[in-house]
Amino acid sequence: QKEVEQNSGPLSVPEGAIASLNCTYSDRVSQSFFWYRQYSGKSPELIMSIYSNGDKEDGRFTAQLNKASQYVSLLIRDSQPSDSATYLCAASSNAGGTSYGKLTFGQGTILTVHP
Amino acid sequence: EAGVTQFPSHSVIEKGQTVTLRCDPISGHDNLYWYRRVMGKEIKFLLHFVKESKQDESGMPNNRFLAERTGGTYSTLKVQPAELEDSGVYFCASSQDPHSGMSHEQFFGPGTRLTVL
Repeated sequence: QKEVEQNSGPLSVPEGAIASLNCTYSDRVSQSFFWYRQYSGKSPELIMSIYSNGDKEDGRFTAQLNKASQYVSLLIRDSQPSDSATYLCAASSNAGGTSYGKLTFGQGTILTVHP
Repeated sequence: EAGVTQFPSHSVIEKGQTVTLRCDPISGHDNLYWYRRVMGKEIKFLLHFVKESKQDESGMPNNRFLAERTGGTYSTLKVQPAELEDSGVYFCASSQDPHSGMSHEQFFGPGTRLTVL
């Protein structure tokens, strides 16, 4: 079992729709979660971080975390063609010890927003 | 504020040769990480520096990989001798001091695409 798993997609949504990206993790020590967006040939770009159970909203993006279910999601409202990219879910442990900060990534979900 | 920079952007070498990758983190970021993405696989952690000290090198594949961060500023990752399976994209990321609250947000550089022939 992979430590961080994402629905690999690809996910295709029409412009203006809500895109829903999902991620599960297996390591209960994980406490910090991140969503990165990566355009083809570019570096991962941090778009959301979430540390507590519940929802966190930033513009058109909402991250949701449920630690009991070990589940993280990202909702993109009013999807635009410019949102077309690979979305990476990552987890880290900020507990004490040597492994704090190290990110464990999922394989990514390719999102296509079509006009 | 300048982001994380990496050099070179691409490198093509033959098996058995040596390659050195460089990463300049965001100014003031104590934490520096190296990651690698092999084709078709997820991004994987290699190691983590806090200033000039190696905090965690559990992801380094073998002793052909050597990372340094002299003076706690830029870092180099040397592969010697390179093997075919070392091909991939090597990313560097940096974050602030671990006790400053926002520390776990890592910012990535553009990556170095390494091809070993």
